[in-house]
Amino acid sequence: GQQVMQIPQYQHVQEGEDFTTYCNSSTTLSNIQWYKQRPGGHPVFLIQLVKSGEVKKQKRLTFQFGEAKKNSSLHITATQTTDVGTYFCAPHGRSNFGNEKLTFGTGTRLTIIP
Amino acid sequence: DARVTQTPRHKVTEMGQEVTMRCQPILGHNTVFWYRQTMMQGLELLAYFRNRAPLDDSGMPKDRFSAEMPDATLATLKIQPSEPRDSAVYFCASGFYPAQDEQFFGPGTRLTVL
Repeated sequence: GQQVMQIPQYQHVQEGEDFTTYCNSSTTLSNIQWYKQRPGGHPVFLIQLVKSGEVKKQKRLTFQFGEAKKNSSLHITATQTTDVGTYFCAPHGRSNFGNEKLTFGTGTRLTIIP
Repeated sequence: DARVTQTPRHKVTEMGQEVTMRCQPILGHNTVFWYRQTMMQGLELLAYFRNRAPLDDSGMPKDRFSAEMPDATLATLKIQPSEPRDSAVYFCASGFYPAQDEQFFGPGTRLTVL
């Protein structure tokens, strides 16, 4: 079955520093989604990557999909206190009905030191 | 602002009792997911439905868990009898496939079984 590893598990950064989380799969992925979960909240969709080598940006967030479509990363530039939360990658797995089934990574919990 | 709603938000019960959690997906969405989140296991998919029909419940303990969609506006997850190891946050999410891959999560039901 599909194995998804996310590193690091925890990251503490000073406000203003950069942050990166990595997602690695044992199999080639069709696409991958990223979600953010604030403390006490629910996962919220951030983005979906589909193409090999794809790079997408949302303000201070940069998402990359590896050339081999086996890994992905999320980079935050100049972190702010609003970036606190757990970031999950979620590759789509194939089912008999389509590719709607998600397997969530273990998540990276980001805390910010003001 | 369309949202997934879940009730109850919190539930404390004693071992052996029946627990029913409810979810109202976003109007028009055709796919509903049930997830369970714990510190140890992370975010796990329990079951999901398309157009009210169950597609995959392989993540769900069959002996005590059951999931249904009595109509398009209501999904239920039932545990009978409940056990302390069922303590977790249960999330419902909905989406519209195949047009959209994004999943919209509800606020979750925090279940504590004593």
